[in-house]
Amino acid sequence: DIQMTQSPSSLSASAGDRVTISCRASESITNYLNWYQQTPGKAPKLLIYSVSNLQSGVPSRFSGSGSGTDFILTINNLQPEDFATYYCHQTYNTPRTFGQGTKVEIK
Amino acid sequence: EMQLVESGGGLVKPGGSLRLSCAASGLTFNYAWMNWVRQAPGKGLEWVGRIKSKGSGGTTEYTASVKGRFSISRDDSQKMLYLQMNSLQTEDTAVYYCAAVRDPTSFSLISWGQGTLVTVSS
Repeated sequence: DIQMTQSPSSLSASAGDRVTISCRASESITNYLNWYQQTPGKAPKLLIYSVSNLQSGVPSRFSGSGSGTDFILTINNLQPEDFATYYCHQTYNTPRTFGQGTKVEIK
Repeated sequence: EMQLVESGGGLVKPGGSLRLSCAASGLTFNYAWMNWVRQAPGKGLEWVGRIKSKGSGGTTEYTASVKGRFSISRDDSQKMLYLQMNSLQTEDTAVYYCAAVRDPTSFSLISWGQGTLVTVSS
């Protein structure tokens, strides 16, 4: 199985900050990498698919980059509604696997 | 607007069975590849399995920990997805989400239900 490792596991930031979250795959997943946002008590929400494609309706302050094994989610100008947990997700093969999550908290 | 609504969760004893349902609307269900994802209390997301559309073969795949115990099926005429769970174990306690694949290129999960809680406890 492909292991997905996110770093950091949690971070504290202030509104207006730029935040980066890393995701590393245990082997190459080419561009089969997606990002989700989850707030407490809610279902995950798709933010970015295929590394860098913004899902419709997602603000442009979210962006993704990377290829192969190393990927980054960037949030520019962090907004109050962005405080949440973020998960990367590989769909290169089955079983699909998720990173362990990165919790973005208010500083 | 795509909508998925799960039902069927509840409390079950170890070794018991439960069937979850997921009602879909706002999508061409018979073309959709569907997944089940679970989240244990306070933990991260875990992929459970998926079923392809019938046009793509209708095949299923599962994560190792549920293989042989869980079974995914679909009724395209009713726009329903199911997860039959047998031989349940305490570690199967989780919120179970059904989710629809966005497209057969990214396989990302574009629409999720609200989740249904399954508690396995004696």
